[in-house]
Amino acid sequence: GQQLNQSPQSMFIQEGEDVSMNCTSSSIFNTWLWYKQEPGEGPVLLIALYKAGELTSNGRLTAQFGITRKDSFLNISASIPSDVGIYFCAGQLGSNYKLTFGKGTLLTVNP
Amino acid sequence: GAVVSQHPSWVICKSGTSVKIECRSLDFQATTMFWYRQFPKQSLMLMATSNEGSKATYEQGVEKDKFLINHASLTLSTLTVTSAHPEDSSFYICSARDQRGTSTDTQYFGPGTRLTVL
Repeated sequence: GQQLNQSPQSMFIQEGEDVSMNCTSSSIFNTWLWYKQEPGEGPVLLIALYKAGELTSNGRLTAQFGITRKDSFLNISASIPSDVGIYFCAGQLGSNYKLTFGKGTLLTVNP
Repeated sequence: GAVVSQHPSWVICKSGTSVKIECRSLDFQATTMFWYRQFPKQSLMLMATSNEGSKATYEQGVEKDKFLINHASLTLSTLTVTSAHPEDSSFYICSARDQRGTSTDTQYFGPGTRLTVL
């Protein structure tokens, strides 16, 4: 089956720093989604990407759908303490609409 | 918006009892919903796809007789954990497929249900 490699596994940064995380796949996806999950809660959609090469921003967040359709990255600029959480990438392909999730990136922001 | 709710948010039950979890799409209709299970410090694991008006599709290794799914309306799917045992304790999360965009299709997640089986 499809597998997503998400890196880094965890990040410890200072407030104000920029953050970058990415996902790569051995096969293509039609859609890439980035979610943030905080403890005890469900994932919250941050950015959705639907076209190869697409670059989309949501406030301080920017994500891109790789041109090969096998990768995506998420950047967070000027991090703040409330950015703390686990960030998941997810890819979707096919008419069953199932998502394949990365293993997540745990982000810790030191004030 | 695209809001998905789950009820209850947490439940504690005795071993051998059954527990029902509800997933509702509050401001859109969802012909397809998904049920996930998440263990501590792990990613989401898809259990099954819930289709309105038809039988659910289960992922390999998920017992369909233990995890009963019903999707009786376009806004409600239920997951019943039958004869629950301590190893079923987990965080159960649903998602709903939002098809309102003409060229977009995405999933929104509920807040999750923490199940603890004693």
